[in-house]
Amino acid sequence: DTGVSQNPRHKITKRGQNVTFRCDPISEHNRLYWYRQTLGQGPEFLTYFQNEAQLEKSRLLSDRFSAERPKGSFSTLEIQRTEQGDSAMYLCASSLYHGTTNEKLFFGSGTQLSVL
Amino acid sequence: LAKTTQPISMDSYEGQEVNITCSHNNIATNDYITWYQQFPSQGPRFIIQGYKTKVTNEVASLFIPADRKSSTLSLPRVSLSDTAVYYCLVGDYGRNFVFGPGTRLSVLP
Repeated sequence: DTGVSQNPRHKITKRGQNVTFRCDPISEHNRLYWYRQTLGQGPEFLTYFQNEAQLEKSRLLSDRFSAERPKGSFSTLEIQRTEQGDSAMYLCASSLYHGTTNEKLFFGSGTQLSVL
Repeated sequence: LAKTTQPISMDSYEGQEVNITCSHNNIATNDYITWYQQFPSQGPRFIIQGYKTKVTNEVASLFIPADRKSSTLSLPRVSLSDTAVYYCLVGDYGRNFVFGPGTRLSVLP
């Protein structure tokens, strides 16, 4: 178990550029979540997948955001035409969901995005 | 989505026991109570999870009264490295977890 891995750890970009983040979940985990966290706040839910299916997207996820999990393993989160308000820590979490109600999420270290 | 209320901050000294209480008056029958710890520039780390009564692991204890409207995370003999933000979550599965601002614990020497 190598844990949830996120790359890159830091990303600095100029407003209007596109960025893509990658998340590699714990290998046997079937659920994968994306969260966004700003300074002093708790993480906010963005979207989640069960295997390759994207089951829900938050209203926070504007049309500029897209997430994929093509083979039910790693996931990517892309932000197009970045804005300064997109600056935040983007967190990925995974879980082994087997239908019970005591799901445990395991988080990666996040990708810190700074939009200049 | 169940809402939780916990203190914004707490101070303690090394070696003391710290108890952080979380209120969750509208907890649902299927909801579990889960606590996470977060250090700066890292993702939250799972600490403990429970449904009722008491749960203990190598890191912490979780006390849940019979009405389940609150819970208390107990950290025995804290050290400086326990300085972090602690989140109390209530939900049946991950999508329904709502992170509030958490409790910022400062452990002083």
